[in-house]
Amino acid sequence: GNSVTQMEGPVTLSEEAFLTINCTYTATGYPSLFWYVQYPGEGLQLLLKATKADDKGSNKGFEATYRKETTSFHLEKGSVQVSDSAVYFCALFKTGANNLFFGTGTRLTVIP
Amino acid sequence: NAGVTQTPKFQVLKTGQSMTLQCAQDMNHNSMYWYRQDPGMGLRLIYYSASEGTTDKGEVPNGYNVSRLNKREFSLRLESAAPSQTSVYFCASRVGGAGELFFGEGSRLTVL
Repeated sequence: GNSVTQMEGPVTLSEEAFLTINCTYTATGYPSLFWYVQYPGEGLQLLLKATKADDKGSNKGFEATYRKETTSFHLEKGSVQVSDSAVYFCALFKTGANNLFFGTGTRLTVIP
Repeated sequence: NAGVTQTPKFQVLKTGQSMTLQCAQDMNHNSMYWYRQDPGMGLRLIYYSASEGTTDKGEVPNGYNVSRLNKREFSLRLESAAPSQTSVYFCASRVGGAGELFFGEGSRLTVL
């Protein structure tokens, strides 16, 4: 079946540290992959996406590369800020499923 | 820019009471979704509506009913609330295909 496994949190980093949140997926064919972010008290919003192998999604300094050989879509940022504190969700969309499959979320806290 | 609007934002119920969560989107999207978010479990799909006039069960439909009233509105009803339904509920919509999901701000429901 279709599923997403992401690194468990919580993750606590100092400002300007390097961030990696791991995400791997299980799916047949060629799913689209997403990272969503949820700031405190808000709904989820799309952070970035990639629709085919080797694509790199990027936004607000975050990047993730669709790696089909390792079935991964790890989220990275070179220098985190306090304002990046949020919960990050990796998600998969499979054509025909009409639904996104979400990971369990990783809470990131950035301290000054 | 209203996007996806959910009401109410907070609700406390007693076991056995009923209520309806309302959701409306103004983006002319075809598909609408109801998720619940529980600690450590990410988002789980309750019901979705691929287009006006259709609804389908998701991963956790028991204890819920939905109505796709028109293209804009998709409501979620709890007929007899149980403490296990204490959760944060999110409505989402998307245009279709592999388009991104747009989320509402969430409705926090507590069942005593």
